[in-house]
Order: sequence, then structure tokens, then C-alpha cells
Amino acid sequence: QKEVEQDPGPLSVPEGAIVSLNCTYSNSAFQYFMWYRQYSRKGPELLMYTYSSGNKEDGRFTAQVDKSSKYISLFIRDSQPSDSATYLCAMTRSNDYKLSFGAGTTVTVRA
Amino acid sequence: DAMVIQNPRYQVTQFGKPVTLSCSQTLNHNVMYWYQQKSSQAPKLLFHYYDKDFNNEADTPDNFQSRRPNTSFCFLDIRSPGLGDAAMYLCATSRETSGRGGNIQYFGAGTRLSVL
Repeated sequence: QKEVEQDPGPLSVPEGAIVSLNCTYSNSAFQYFMWYRQYSRKGPELLMYTYSSGNKEDGRFTAQVDKSSKYISLFIRDSQPSDSATYLCAMTRSNDYKLSFGAGTTVTVRA
Repeated sequence: DAMVIQNPRYQVTQFGKPVTLSCSQTLNHNVMYWYQQKSSQAPKLLFHYYDKDFNNEADTPDNFQSRRPNTSFCFLDIRSPGLGDAAMYLCATSRETSGRGGNIQYFGAGTRLSVL
């Protein structure tokens, strides 16, 4: 079993829809949870990070962490074609440099 | 804007011919990382520097080496590239390796390496 599980998709939605992405994990020691957006042939771009449990909102993006269920989510409201990318979740412990990544979910937003 | 810059964006080399990829950062971060990412896979950590201290991952082949001459620059050297080394190479930085938010990593745009 992988430490971080993420459905690779692909996920295709119409413009304006809400995109819902999620990851599950097995290591209860993870404290920092990140979402990266990666366009084709580019490096991962940090979208948001969350410490421990709770919600965080930034514009059209909302990240949620439920440590009791070992489940994290990213929601994209009013999705745009420019949101078409692969979304990687990543997580780490407080005292660790090493990120554990999900496999990435490929999202296409249709105009 | 503070950022992580990788050069070149695309590199073509011949089988067995040494190649060097470069990374610079204006974030003034203590830690610099090198990752290898193959198509449709998550990035795989090769090694990292905390200041001048080099930390190799256990499964990183000896073919991969790194240098960090100063805080801003880090290089990835592939001594004898094989066909299996064709991939995207990503540089990342973080302020620290632990602590509140200190280990959040910021990536460069990557260098896509082709081996002929």
C-alpha cells in the first residue's frame, strides 16, 4: 500500500464546474499538507499548504484536511480552462524534509 | 519576484556524455533539492543540500552527483547518462528541513533531459 493514495483520473469537467480532488494517506505523523499544480512540461507550482487539520481558502481554491480520517481535499470553484493541469498532493512531517507525493490527478476543464 | 530558476529548460545529450543542469534561487533558502520526474509519475527525490551539507537518498544511483558552490546555486551532474535517465529534472528549495512551514518546498520550472 502506498503511503499517499490519489486517483490519477483523468477528470474532465465543464467550465464553471466545481473540481473536487482528494488524497488519502496512512502516516498519522504527517502535519503539513500541500497541493501543487503542474502544467504539462513545467515544474510543480505550490498552490496551497495547510498545517494540521482545518480549512484554508485562497480565491477560488479551498483546501481541507481531516486528520481523523487521513483525508485531504482541494476544491476549485468556477473552474476555468486555464485550471487544466495535473494536481499533486504532497505531505510531510514537521521534522522531516522529505515530501510524500500522490500520483497526481489530471484535470481538464472544457470550454 | 523571488524564484527558483533552472537552466537550460531543455537539454539533449548523447548516451554516456556527461551533462550538467543548473539551478539558482533568489529565495535565500537554506535547502536545495534535486528531483527526477518521469512521465505521469510523482517527483522522486535524488538528494538535497542543507547549506553545504550534502544528503544523498539511499537509492540514488552513483551516476548522479551534485555541487552547491554557494547559497544561490546548485548543479546536478550526470556522469554517464543512460537512456533510462531521460526525464524532467526538478530543483526545489525550502527555508529549512523542518519547523513550522520551514520545510515547504518551492519548485523551479524543470529541465527536460533527452538522451540519444
